[in-house]
Amino acid sequence: QVLLQESGPGLVKPSETLSLTCAVSGGPISDYYWSWIRQAPGKGLEWVGYMFSNGNTDYNPSLQSRVTMSVDTSNNHLSVKLTSVTAADTAVYYCARVAVWGSYDALDIWGQGTTVTVSS
Amino acid sequence: DIQMTQSPSSLSASVGDRVTITCRASQSISSYLNWYQQKPGKAPKLLIYAASSLQSGVPSRFRGSGSGTDFTLTISSLQPEDFATYYCQQSFNSPRSFGQGTKLEI
Repeated sequence: QVLLQESGPGLVKPSETLSLTCAVSGGPISDYYWSWIRQAPGKGLEWVGYMFSNGNTDYNPSLQSRVTMSVDTSNNHLSVKLTSVTAADTAVYYCARVAVWGSYDALDIWGQGTTVTVSS
Repeated sequence: DIQMTQSPSSLSASVGDRVTITCRASQSISSYLNWYQQKPGKAPKLLIYAASSLQSGVPSRFRGSGSGTDFTLTISSLQPEDFATYYCQQSFNSPRSFGQGTKLEI
């Protein structure tokens, strides 16, 4: 059973860099694609990006200049960094596994999410 | 970018009711449409992928249909645990995008 667990600082100051990790247990990280999604308080879901098993990434253009996703296969965890944060980046951040069926994909396993507040 | 629009934004129903939620894409996405359920304080859960394929472990009262630009999620007989917010998501191209959500209330 694959489990995902996000972690990181709950509070980040404006203009600083938000750094989160997602520990993957129960299966090899290299066999799948991975994604980060965020949800601002009381709002809907926003796709942050995908990380492919070959290390390639696909970011939401709205965040592309500020976001970096990476994978550490030796420790089986994912990371996301978001630079120059503002209050608009306050959200619950989820990591999720991307399941693939032919040309179709969906987010089939999610972490429980970690809350990040941007405030001075 | 593809815009996903759900209707209604909220819906009141009772246990045993049949309910339908609609999702419309701003351009054709074939069958590249997923549905998720989210309960308060919890992560979303995948219900349907590829417009009509039921994710493993999801009750058969959930049914997805549609193709092109118009899609529906139907719950045939509401159970108490079904009251939640539902999101559609397109997986046709990047950036993947979600609908704004439909809150299903008692």
